[in-house]
Order: sequence, then C-alpha cells, then structure tokens
Amino acid sequence: EIVMTQSPATLSVSPGERATLSCRASQSVTSNLAWYQQKPGQAPRLLIYAASTRATGIPARFRGSGFGTEFTLTISSLQSEDFAGYYCQQYNKWPFTFGPGTKVDIK
Amino acid sequence: QLQLQESGPGLVKPSETLSLTCTVSGGSISSSSYFWGWIRQPPGKGLEWIGSIYYSGNTYYNPSLESRVSISVDTSKTQFSLKLSSVTAADTAVYFCATQPMVGTIPDYFDYWGQGTLVTVSS
Repeated sequence: EIVMTQSPATLSVSPGERATLSCRASQSVTSNLAWYQQKPGQAPRLLIYAASTRATGIPARFRGSGFGTEFTLTISSLQSEDFAGYYCQQYNKWPFTFGPGTKVDIK
Repeated sequence: QLQLQESGPGLVKPSETLSLTCTVSGGSISSSSYFWGWIRQPPGKGLEWIGSIYYSGNTYYNPSLESRVSISVDTSKTQFSLKLSSVTAADTAVYFCATQPMVGTIPDYFDYWGQGTLVTVSS
C-alpha cells in the first residue's frame, strides 16, 4: 500500500496571503495525484487531478505541482471560502489512499 | 451533471451487516467511462477508500476491508450498493459514494460525490 503523508497538519494563514501545502507518497505515483477540499459537514470537492490539472470550475488561485513522490498545492491568495481541510489522494495503484489532511485556518 | 445520493439505515448493531445504496442521476450507471466507489470518514478523521465497481461487475476492494465488503451494481435501478459485514464501533463513519473516471487501466480520482450519510454502530 502506498502511504500518503501531508504537512503541515494545520496551517494558519491570513486572508490574502499564500498557502503552501505539501503531500508526499511512500513510493512514486508519477502524476496520478489528486487534491480535494472539504468543509465541515460537506463532501470533499475535487480541486486538482493529474497533479496539476484544475477540475471544472476551480479558480486559478489553486495550483498543483509535483511528480513522483513530492507534491504541492498552492493557494495564491486565500479567500474566506478557502479556509477548510485539504486532502491528497494517489490513484497510481490500488488500494487508493488518501493523506491525513491539512487544515487551513484563519490566522 | 452526475448526482449521487446515499441512503440506508443510520444505526446498525454490532456484528450485523451495514447496507447502503447510492442512487445515480444525471448520467448512466452503465457508462464505460466510470467506476462507482465508496469512501468513508470516521468522525473527525480522514478519508478511507472502501471499494469500487464497474457497471460490468468488476470490483476493486481495499484489502483492509476485503473480507467483509461486497459492492454490487443494479443497472436497471441506476444504483450501486455497499454491504459491510460484522461491523464494530470502528466502522462508525460518514459513508460517501462517488464516481471515478476510467481513463487508464485502473479507476482514477473521485470527481462527483454524494453528500454522505452517517452510520453509527451501536447496540
């Protein structure tokens, strides 16, 4: 099983600032990596797939990058609606596995 | 646009079988472009993939749950279902159904999600 780790567990950011979230895989997943946003009481929402492709309707301030084992989600200028949990997920090999998440909260 | 809705009992007794159904609308469950998956999230914790099924009945299961899980599809009702046997309190979670595009040789990311349903295991 591919183990996904995320850092930091919590990120405190002021509105308008940049947020940088990291995701690491225990072995290469090439570019088969997705990012999701989840708000309390809601289902996760797909943000990024194929490591860097934004899903339909996702604003350009969300940018994914990386390949292999190291990935980054950058939110260029945090809006109030961006304060939420973020999860990465690999789909290079089954079982499909998620990272433990990063919570982005208001500084 | 695809829409998914989970349904089933919100309370299950220990050692019994959890049964949930996901109803699909806005698209065909017989599409060759999608797998149909189940994911769960214990309260306050992260996401765990349970398993996925193709319209033909081909399945992938999480090895950690495989001995207790069964996923089936009913194309006539545009539904797919989850059964998890011998449940314990550790199976208490919000259960989500979701779609997985089929681009390569295995299913991909989860793009459309149901709202989720909380299942509590308790006597």
